[in-house]
Amino acid sequence: GAVVSQHPSRVICKSGTSVKIECRSLDFQATTMFWYRQFPKQSLMLMATSNEGSKATYEQGVEKDKFLINHASLTLSTLTVTSAHPEDSSFYICSAWTSGGTDTQYFGPGTRLTVL
Amino acid sequence: DQQVKQNSPSLSVQEGRISILNCDYTNSMFDYFLWYKKYPAEGPTFLISISSIKDKNEDGRFTVFLNKSAKHLSLHIVPSQPGDSAVYFCAASRFGPHTGKLIFGQGTTLQVKP
Repeated sequence: GAVVSQHPSRVICKSGTSVKIECRSLDFQATTMFWYRQFPKQSLMLMATSNEGSKATYEQGVEKDKFLINHASLTLSTLTVTSAHPEDSSFYICSAWTSGGTDTQYFGPGTRLTVL
Repeated sequence: DQQVKQNSPSLSVQEGRISILNCDYTNSMFDYFLWYKKYPAEGPTFLISISSIKDKNEDGRFTVFLNKSAKHLSLHIVPSQPGDSAVYFCAASRFGPHTGKLIFGQGTTLQVKP
């Protein structure tokens, strides 16, 4: 299947700093990328939908000014957690999807963010 | 509001036997369902899907059953193998597969014992 990478896989930062997470589709061009977060023993919660070259669409309750998403190309989307706080500590997973293909999402391995 | 629920957090079965993972949903507008498998430190990988116009879809050892009247779907794995041990997520979509927007359940951890 298609490969999606995320970088970094794990990050620890101090409260108040910003953290950028990259999501890349390595062997296909992604029409759309999705960003999820997962708390322990809970489901993947969709945060936002990102289409190349346009503004991301955020789910209800997700602060767009806090979670900045940039989808500059068909193979790269970035999520920046601005002014991170301990409650932002979570597992962030991206997925890439393209229309006209298998219509399935391909997920990255996730990024574990810990805010001290 | 948890629209997709997997009420069993864990399941343990013996190798060679059948594994049955269950998923319930509340939104009757869902028309496409998927199962994903996730190993630790990896992203979910797609297993099998089913459209709401069907009640069964089979792919090798994996079969998904959909009961729309009960708003229930299940994943059957037979025979189960130790390599199937992972977390299984069911997911649902309101607009078929074409928008990619999915609602996930909490996951069920399957352990297959040799």
